[in-house]
Amino acid sequence: EPEVTQTPSHQVTQMGQEVILRCVPISNHLYFYWYRQILGQKVEFLVSFYNNEISEKSEIFDDQFSVERPDGSNFTLKIRSTKLEDSAMYFCASRPKEDRHGETQYFGPGTRLLVL
Amino acid sequence: LAKTTQPISMDSYEGQEVNITCSHNNIATNDYITWYQQFPSQGPRFIIQGYKTKVTNEVASLFIPADRKSSTLSLPRVSLSDTAVYYCLVGDLSGGYNKLIFGAGTRLAVHP
Repeated sequence: EPEVTQTPSHQVTQMGQEVILRCVPISNHLYFYWYRQILGQKVEFLVSFYNNEISEKSEIFDDQFSVERPDGSNFTLKIRSTKLEDSAMYFCASRPKEDRHGETQYFGPGTRLLVL
Repeated sequence: LAKTTQPISMDSYEGQEVNITCSHNNIATNDYITWYQQFPSQGPRFIIQGYKTKVTNEVASLFIPADRKSSTLSLPRVSLSDTAVYYCLVGDLSGGYNKLIFGAGTRLAVHP
């Protein structure tokens, strides 16, 4: 069964450093998402991406965050200057075009980011 | 987006049937009901989706009464590996609804 993959699985960084989290969505999917989950809290939506542009973003997704689909397979989340409160599990998700309900998103295993 | 209410936690034993009920009093006509499962340190996983009556797949059944103001996820004969957080989500099926809004979910603990 095809699946969403994410790298790295864990990342430790110093406050103020830039990090790039990488995702390879399922190959025929057209909608891409990033979510995050702070330890012990809810899964929170960050951003959705379709047709090479952001379709929606949350209040969390400020100027320090950016997303990119640099080629036909990767989807990245960049945090320009990390803060302690960016420590969380970051999940990438994708969904196929034919899923018109928008609910059936497939999630990757996550990247655990720790900012020191 | 319709607000959902579900129990914070539930306990069960191996082999039992588990029913998790979700209330969504403000569900709109175009809204579908979807359940996700999340194991510790993993991403949420789609379980089942329905609009009305009953839906069944290899993992679970979803019961939706006629007024659609609630829904019940039924897990038959749970095992220890069903210990997870279960999320009920309600959303519009038409275009424009992209993001998933997760609540706190129901933390199910299955005991030997």
